[in-house]
Amino acid sequence: GESVGLHLPTLSVQEGDNSIINCAYSNSASDYFIWYKQESGKGPQFIIDIRSNMDKRQGQRVTVLLNKTVKHLSLQIAATQPGDSAVYFCAENNYGQNFVFGPGTRLSVLP
Amino acid sequence: KAGVTQTPRYLIKTRGQQVTLSCSPISGHRSVSWYQQTPGQGLQFLFEYFSETQRNKGNFPGRFSGRQFSNSRSEMNVSTLELGDSALYLCASSLSYSSYNEQFFGPGTRLTVL
Repeated sequence: GESVGLHLPTLSVQEGDNSIINCAYSNSASDYFIWYKQESGKGPQFIIDIRSNMDKRQGQRVTVLLNKTVKHLSLQIAATQPGDSAVYFCAENNYGQNFVFGPGTRLSVLP
Repeated sequence: KAGVTQTPRYLIKTRGQQVTLSCSPISGHRSVSWYQQTPGQGLQFLFEYFSETQRNKGNFPGRFSGRQFSNSRSEMNVSTLELGDSALYLCASSLSYSSYNEQFFGPGTRLTVL
């Protein structure tokens, strides 16, 4: 498959454990955030989003937390599965300007 | 509902040549954004089109250009290719240009410049 990032930070977790992926965003004026998952050979896939008027949002097995004070976003994945192995990106948007993506984190799920 | 399609999927060019990449958005989507993805720089925004007009442009040289047609299909062109242009070029479509619209990505075009 195609190499998304040769030197990305990597998080290795045991199958069934919970995963927490962190992201520091750059613009304190950003008002909308998305987490994407990118598997080898594919484009990024939407996981969950959150607006700046919220600090937590839950989806199916995923939770996003937003801390505007320290400009920090996290993605929690419950009961991590082998299919969750991928590169995860956070993206921020400032009132309709273009999305700015973080560098990504590679999640490796160990059997 | 068909997803975002990009053609070609793979392309090999030599320095100095030019290349045109194509993106067909999801039916009904009017906004198309282009990104360059490299191992060193990650995902970087190139430009966004809505209703045939460029709305936003990233920090790339003028060799990178794009356009959008009346059916929302979009093309991007890179002229005078350089080795550093080797990358995965991703297209994303959304209903509109509002920041609150989810972007749907295509599989990308892998460009290799020799």
